[in-house]
Amino acid sequence: DAKTTQPPSMDCAEGRAANLPCNHSTISGNEYVYWYRQIHSQGPQYIIHGLKNNETNEMASLIITEDRKSSTLILPHATLRDTAVYYCIPNFGNEKLTFGTGTRLTIIP
Amino acid sequence: GAVVSQHPSWVICKSGTSVKIECRSLDFQATTMFWYRQFPKQSLMLMATSNEGSKATYEQGVEKDKFLINHASLTLSTLTVTSAHPEDSSFYICSARDHRRRINEQFFGPGTRLTVL
Repeated sequence: DAKTTQPPSMDCAEGRAANLPCNHSTISGNEYVYWYRQIHSQGPQYIIHGLKNNETNEMASLIITEDRKSSTLILPHATLRDTAVYYCIPNFGNEKLTFGTGTRLTIIP
Repeated sequence: GAVVSQHPSWVICKSGTSVKIECRSLDFQATTMFWYRQFPKQSLMLMATSNEGSKATYEQGVEKDKFLINHASLTLSTLTVTSAHPEDSSFYICSARDHRRRINEQFFGPGTRLTVL
C-alpha cells in the first residue's frame, strides 16, 4: 500500500467546510483512496472512498486529483461532532487497512 | 449501517492473568475480522486477521501464542491476551467486513480498554 502524508492537525470553524488534504504520490493505478475517522476513544468509522472520480455521499465529498497523487476530503458544513482524527488510506480493495498518523481535526464553536 | 460490538468495553486485570475480548457482528456475517491495538496518542496497529474456520494470520512482531484468536462462527471472533503484563495495557479494537458489500468497508467495534496492573 502507498505511503501517505497528512497534516498532523487542523482547525475549522463550526458551520464552515473542512478540507482535509492527503498526499499519496506513490499510489498505484488500481489502488483506491479510503477515508476513515476516529472520534476520541471510539472505533474508526468509514467515511468514503474513490478511485479516479470525485465521490460524494451523505457524510462527505472526496476530490481526487487527475494524477491521483493527492486527494481532499471535504466535510461541507462541519459540526462539533466532526472533531476526530481523519485517516487517508490507499488500499487495493483487499482486506487489510494500514492506518497512518492521520489529521486531528478540531471544530471550533 | 452494520454494527459490531465488543465485550467488555473495559477490563482491569492483574499481571499474569488472561483476558478474553469478544467481537461480534450483530446484523451481518463476517468471514473476516481484524484485531487492532492502539496505544495512547498513537495510530491503530493491525495485530492479526481472523478468518472464520481457519487460523488467524498475525502481523510481524505479534506473538501468536500470547494473543490467541478464535473465529468459531461467522459472527464472533475472540482475542485472548494470555499472561497479560502492564505493557499489554492498550485499547483493543476489532473490525469486520461485510462480504455482501462490494466495497472494502470495515465496520469497527467500540474498542476494549485493557489495563494490566
